[in-house]
Amino acid sequence: GAVVSQHPSWVICKSGTSVKIECRSLDFQATTMFWYRQFPKQSLMLMATSNEGSKATYEQGVEKDKFLINHASLTLSTLTVTSAHPEDSSFYICSARPSGIIETQYFGPGTRLLVL
Amino acid sequence: GQNIDQPTEMTATEGAIVQINCTYQTSGFNGLFWYQQHAGEAPTFLSYNVLDGLEEKGRFSSFLSRSKGYSYLLLKELQMKDSASYLCAVRRSWGKLQFGAGTQVVVTP
Repeated sequence: GAVVSQHPSWVICKSGTSVKIECRSLDFQATTMFWYRQFPKQSLMLMATSNEGSKATYEQGVEKDKFLINHASLTLSTLTVTSAHPEDSSFYICSARPSGIIETQYFGPGTRLLVL
Repeated sequence: GQNIDQPTEMTATEGAIVQINCTYQTSGFNGLFWYQQHAGEAPTFLSYNVLDGLEEKGRFSSFLSRSKGYSYLLLKELQMKDSASYLCAVRRSWGKLQFGAGTQVVVTP
């Protein structure tokens, strides 16, 4: 079956540092990947759509200069949280959509970020 | 507005049936998903409805009425492992998913 991995699974960092999270589709190509954020006891909120070879599109209210997205290949998208602050602590989840199939997204296991 | 509403929590006993309702008002509709999410884990796919009617898959069934903006997920023969959050999500344009807040299902012995 389709597998999506995320690395790291959890990270603790100091305020002001940058953190990079990787999302990989292991056995399929994904032209499009999505990045979500989930705060405790809340639902997933879409942050941005990552498109291979082009700029990401961000949802309203998401700062593109703070959350840098790079989708350099058909199997890898990265999210970098720049100058992280405690309020950025959250569960970050990516999903990948197989190329040519618009109905399906496969979710990664998530990355828990704690900013001290 | 853009709303997806589902109950916050439901409790049921092992072996019982539970129905989780979801109503939506969104600009753009290209299908409705149900996901299961255990605490601290990513969502796992349960069902996808794009046409009106009932889709049955084992112990789980999902229903959609597009004219009413309504869906439900039916869980039969509840097991303890079914205790989780169940997320209703509408697929909008460009494959984007808009999620409801989730319904926490608690299964008791």
